[in-house]
Amino acid sequence: SQKIEQNSEALNIQEGKTATLTCNYTNYSPAYLQWYRQDPGRGPVFLLLIRENEKEKRKERLKVTFDTTLKQSLFHITASQPADSATYLCALDIANSGYALNFGKGTSLLVTP
Amino acid sequence: NAGVTQTPKFQVLKTGQSMTLQCAQDMNHNSMYWYRQDPGMGLRLIYYSASEGTTDKGEVPNGYNVSRLNKREFSLRLESAAPSQTSVYFCASTISGANVLTFGAGSRLTVL
Repeated sequence: SQKIEQNSEALNIQEGKTATLTCNYTNYSPAYLQWYRQDPGRGPVFLLLIRENEKEKRKERLKVTFDTTLKQSLFHITASQPADSATYLCALDIANSGYALNFGKGTSLLVTP
Repeated sequence: NAGVTQTPKFQVLKTGQSMTLQCAQDMNHNSMYWYRQDPGMGLRLIYYSASEGTTDKGEVPNGYNVSRLNKREFSLRLESAAPSQTSVYFCASTISGANVLTFGAGSRLTVL
């Protein structure tokens, strides 16, 4: 079956450091992969989409890599700030489902001053 | 620009009661979705509507029904609520082919 795995343990880092979150998947051949941010009590918010032919994508302090051979995406937040504290979700499309997405369980990031 | 609006935000039901969660989007999106989110389980797709007039089951459809009332609105109905349906429910939408989902703020449902 299709699986998306994210580190279930919370990631605690110090302000100013780079946070790196991992997303691994099995039994997918995705055309693209997405990352979302979710704050407590709110719905997920889209951050970045990376296509299979893109090795890396950047948006401000965010960087995503996509390795279809390893079946892995890495999500980096550089110069992290306490406001970056949230849960980050990785998502892949579900085949033949009207563009619905399967989500990983998310990794909680806590950035401390 | 409201995006995706869900009502109610909170609801407490007794086992066996019925209720409908409402979702509306004002972005002219074609596809709409209902997910539930439980601790340790992540987001799971309940039902989706790829376009107005169509609905399909997702991963966990049992105990739920949906109606795509028009292009804007997609409702989720619990006919006979069970404690296992205690969850946070999210509605989402996207324009076809884009796959980037816009989510509502969620509806927290407790079934006693």
